[in-house]
Amino acid sequence: QVQLVESGGGVVQPGRSLRLACAASGFSFSSFGMHWVRQAPGKGLEWVAVIWYDGSNKYYADSVKGRFTISRDNSKNTVYLQLNSLRAEDTAVYYCAREGYSNGYRFFDFWGQGTLVTVSS
Amino acid sequence: SSELTQDPAVSVALGQTVRITCQGDSLRSWYASWYQEKPGQAPVVVIYAKNNRPSGIPDRFSGSTSGNTASLTITGAQAEDEADYYCCSRDSSGNHRLFGGGTKLTVL
Repeated sequence: QVQLVESGGGVVQPGRSLRLACAASGFSFSSFGMHWVRQAPGKGLEWVAVIWYDGSNKYYADSVKGRFTISRDNSKNTVYLQLNSLRAEDTAVYYCAREGYSNGYRFFDFWGQGTLVTVSS
Repeated sequence: SSELTQDPAVSVALGQTVRITCQGDSLRSWYASWYQEKPGQAPVVVIYAKNNRPSGIPDRFSGSTSGNTASLTITGAQAEDEADYYCCSRDSSGNHRLFGGGTKLTVL
């Protein structure tokens, strides 16, 4: 069965860095685009970034562009999110999500359980 | 516009029908998908691409689109449908994703 397990969250000071990882299993990882989505405490979902199945293209939300970097290692079935220059407003649960496709359409078909990032001094 | 707008909260009596809407210019070009989120759980897709249900999603969930508005309809709402619902689509470039602000559904 498809599993996505995030790790790497924690408490970090403003301006510092953190790297999140999402380990995938149960499917052909190298065939799927992968996303990061976050949710601040008590707030809604916010899309963060996407990386294509082969890593050839990456796109970011304006709120994180230039500070966050998405990458993947298909040999390790893992997608990463490097968070630099962290701000208090980056405090959130970070989910990785698989971009599934069916009937010619794409959507988030599997999600991890999330990892909490808290930016605080 | 690069936003998707949802009503913050909607309520429905048990067994009745409720429609949750999502408005945005991008919906004229891209279909929405809908996600159900319950407290402490990861989101789950309930509808994708206008009106497709993943396996395991009850057929009381349906979707539709008209102009710049996507709708999620629950026909015969059950207590277990009480949750937050988010629409999602692409922006005008097609490369970024957008989420609506979410609708909290209360089943009375």
